[in-house]
Amino acid sequence: QSALTQPPSASGSPGQSVTISCTGTSSDVGGYNFVSWYQQHPGKAPKFMIYEVSKRPSGVPERFSGSKSGNTASLTVSGLQADDEADYYCGSYAGSNNWVFGGGTKLTVL
Amino acid sequence: QVQLVQSGAEVKKPGASVKVSCKASGYTFTVYRMHWVRQGPGQGLEWVGRINPNTGDTDYAQKFQGRVTLTRDTSISTAYMELTGLTSDDTAVYFCARDNLWGSDYWGQGTLVTVSS
Repeated sequence: QSALTQPPSASGSPGQSVTISCTGTSSDVGGYNFVSWYQQHPGKAPKFMIYEVSKRPSGVPERFSGSKSGNTASLTVSGLQADDEADYYCGSYAGSNNWVFGGGTKLTVL
Repeated sequence: QVQLVQSGAEVKKPGASVKVSCKASGYTFTVYRMHWVRQGPGQGLEWVGRINPNTGDTDYAQKFQGRVTLTRDTSISTAYMELTGLTSDDTAVYFCARDNLWGSDYWGQGTLVTVSS
């Protein structure tokens, strides 16, 4: 199972919006609506931000949104804030009780 | 509140085995499956496997088949990951994470496993 493809970096100024992509195949991202997103600050454990492509767990700001088209999922962070600077990872169910993650995207708030 | 507390850092020699524990609290341990995920130095997340604490059923990433064993002790709400035949490529932080909503909603703090001669 190959890792999902994410851009290594993304950036935006405070208040702007930024979108991070996550590309897989029809066997994972494209085949199931079970894409999740995680935020990870340096030295910390990942934090659950989005599940089932576009749903937000309790406590996650509405500024974080998810979507999917074909084999590519996306995470959009609106109204960028300094604390949004972190690594972001996508994950997807890949069938046959397997899961796969993306390589991660480092988001910089300029 | 849900908490997953993992065992401390380990240093192992090549060829050795390591066993990492993950103690759950704040919820009924047997209701949620548990994932194990690792992260190499400066690397992304990599799925290792998952256990159903109720039945003991396991699923493993193909890459780790034959080298990893996930177990649990329901009497103390603790999940375990044992990895054998360690090489330097296994140097990583290993996380346990609760399976929920087709993702992982709570994560342990991570356990650093260093493999070095």
